[in-house]
Amino acid sequence: QSVLTQPPSASGTPGQRVTISCSGSRSNIGSNHVHWYQQLPGTAPKLLIYKNNKRASGVPDRFSGSKSGTSASLAISGLRSEDEADYYCAAWDDSLSGLFGGGTKLTVL
Amino acid sequence: QVQLLQSGAEVKKPGSSVKVSCKASGGTFNSSVIAWLRQAPGQGLEWMGGIIPFFGITNYAQRFQGRVTLTADESTGTAYMELSSLRSEDTAFYYCARAVGGVRGVMFDYWGQGPLVTVSS
Repeated sequence: QSVLTQPPSASGTPGQRVTISCSGSRSNIGSNHVHWYQQLPGTAPKLLIYKNNKRASGVPDRFSGSKSGTSASLAISGLRSEDEADYYCAAWDDSLSGLFGGGTKLTVL
Repeated sequence: QVQLLQSGAEVKKPGSSVKVSCKASGGTFNSSVIAWLRQAPGQGLEWMGGIIPFFGITNYAQRFQGRVTLTADESTGTAYMELSSLRSEDTAFYYCARAVGGVRGVMFDYWGQGPLVTVSS
């Protein structure tokens, strides 16, 4: 069981806005940056959002991140079929360990 | 453009060891931080640890302490991850990734292709 909690699945229709949550604690999200990764089937993860709300190079502005207290969120607006992927949040924990959420499988209906 | 090229898939017996390599090109290897992560088939990502090749500084996830060894060869720009006492639960894709911000961080901007290590008798 992951220390960072994400919903296992999310879905939306093309053009919709979808949000994925990531819940942690004071020792990880509460005191460190949150990063988000997108993993397309059969490929390595790709950095999507870093330091809570900054888009990685080449990431469209349909993707945005936010953090408040011990929770973070990834929002995808104008949903497209190519957004169908697994999404992971990650944060450093003050116990000197890197943590990932369990991942959210996004389905575009 | 940084590229991380990893060694190929492996099949290992329980109790043995595996050593996966990660050759970096297109960047400054010695000043980089190389992290290692794994992902069991159909499961989530797990951080194993990181190394700063220039200083040889390492940081390991507690659950892998004593079983994983991270090393680097500056002359070839190659990082290595060796995992010992393999068991079936270690079957996973093993990724190297360039970490931004030191060995104490989970921001990874470049990834290797992640070969599958299968542990089976």
